[in-house]
Amino acid sequence: NAGVTQTPKFQVLKTGQSMTLQCAQDMNHNSMYWYRQDPGMGLRLIYYSASEGTTDKGEVPNGYNVSRLNKREFSLRLESAAPSQTSVYFCASVGQNYEQYFGPGTRLTVT
Amino acid sequence: GDSVTQMEGPVTLSEEAFLTINCTYTATGYPSLFWYVQYPGEGLQLLLKATKADDKGSNKGFEATYRKETTSFHLEKGSVQVSDSAVYFCALSEGYGNKLVFGAGTILRVKS
Repeated sequence: NAGVTQTPKFQVLKTGQSMTLQCAQDMNHNSMYWYRQDPGMGLRLIYYSASEGTTDKGEVPNGYNVSRLNKREFSLRLESAAPSQTSVYFCASVGQNYEQYFGPGTRLTVT
Repeated sequence: GDSVTQMEGPVTLSEEAFLTINCTYTATGYPSLFWYVQYPGEGLQLLLKATKADDKGSNKGFEATYRKETTSFHLEKGSVQVSDSAVYFCALSEGYGNKLVFGAGTILRVKS
């Protein structure tokens, strides 16, 4: 089992560019999450998907969109990147006791 | 709303010292409680969990007991190693939407 995988690992964007962060899990979990992690602020929830075909906003959704493509995949899209979106992005999927399994992260810099 | 409060770091210890990282929570129901660890440059890994009052979670020498009366879930290890240097996050989930609420994290540095 690969667990939770994320691509790319690193990305540099210019302000206004767009990109999609990919996430996939092979644990047959229903729920998947996107977080961002910034120094001194812990993890903040951007969007989540409780099941295939559903998505909901988290704590900091502005500037992002998501797609739950199927049960395995949950992507995060930045339509027009801003320097404030420089961060480390983590995807997670949720086990049956609500424990979350995290991917290795995508380190995004917006200049 | 739900919240998790952890002791501020960094916590600096010598190898083989005893570790305690305090965690208290506020929740409306009966949450599951978790400790996650993040090594430099990596994602978060589940360290241990407890799903009901008086449960003790344990893994890799770390332990934490779910104390409902004090709303606490303190992380302990009897003898830390340099390889334990990382950031430790306490978290809870009430189950609704399976959302996790994280503490701010505590940096642990272990010196040889």
